[in-house]
Amino acid sequence: NAGVTQTPKFQVLKTGQSMTLQCAQDMNHEYMSWYRQDPGMGLRLIHYSVGAGITDQGEVPNGYNVSRSTTEDFPLRLLSAAPSQTSVYFCASSPRTYETYEQYFGPGTRLTVT
Amino acid sequence: KQEVTQIPAALSVPEGENLVLNCSFTDSAIYNLQWFRQDPGKGLTSLLLIQSSQREQTSGRLNASLDKSSGRSTLYIAASQPGDSATYLCAVKGSWGKLQFGAGTQVVVTP
Repeated sequence: NAGVTQTPKFQVLKTGQSMTLQCAQDMNHEYMSWYRQDPGMGLRLIHYSVGAGITDQGEVPNGYNVSRSTTEDFPLRLLSAAPSQTSVYFCASSPRTYETYEQYFGPGTRLTVT
Repeated sequence: KQEVTQIPAALSVPEGENLVLNCSFTDSAIYNLQWFRQDPGKGLTSLLLIQSSQREQTSGRLNASLDKSSGRSTLYIAASQPGDSATYLCAVKGSWGKLQFGAGTQVVVTP
């Protein structure tokens, strides 16, 4: 198993550009989520999905869009990048939503918006 | 709303000392609590997972306790080594599988 993979590892965008951060898992996990990590603030939940075709907003969803057409993939779209979206983005997955499984994290994508 | 706090924000200890890291949370309705390690510029490595029904969990030099009623967890690292230098994060799993993270404790172990 490759686990949770994320691409790209690094990205620089100009304000107003759009892009998609890719996340994939090969463990047949039901639950997937996106977090952003900013200095001194820990990780904050952006969006999550409890299964293919089902997504919902987390704590900081503004400026981001998600969809989940397959169990394996959960891309995060930045619609019009802003400097405030400069952050490190982590994707995570877990076998089930409600049961007491741990979450597995990808290696992260470092995004800089100039 | 669940709030997770980690104190202290930073800690420096000489090699060989035991490390004690604290995590507190405001809502006891959790599924589990997970401790992570993060090295600079890297992702999160899961260290220990404690289910809500458990009191503690151990792995090698690591021991984590959970007191759900008082909203506290403690991570103990015995006989610290320079390789233990990292940021340690705790996270509680609540409704809809959401993880709520603390801001972390940055640990430096000096030789």
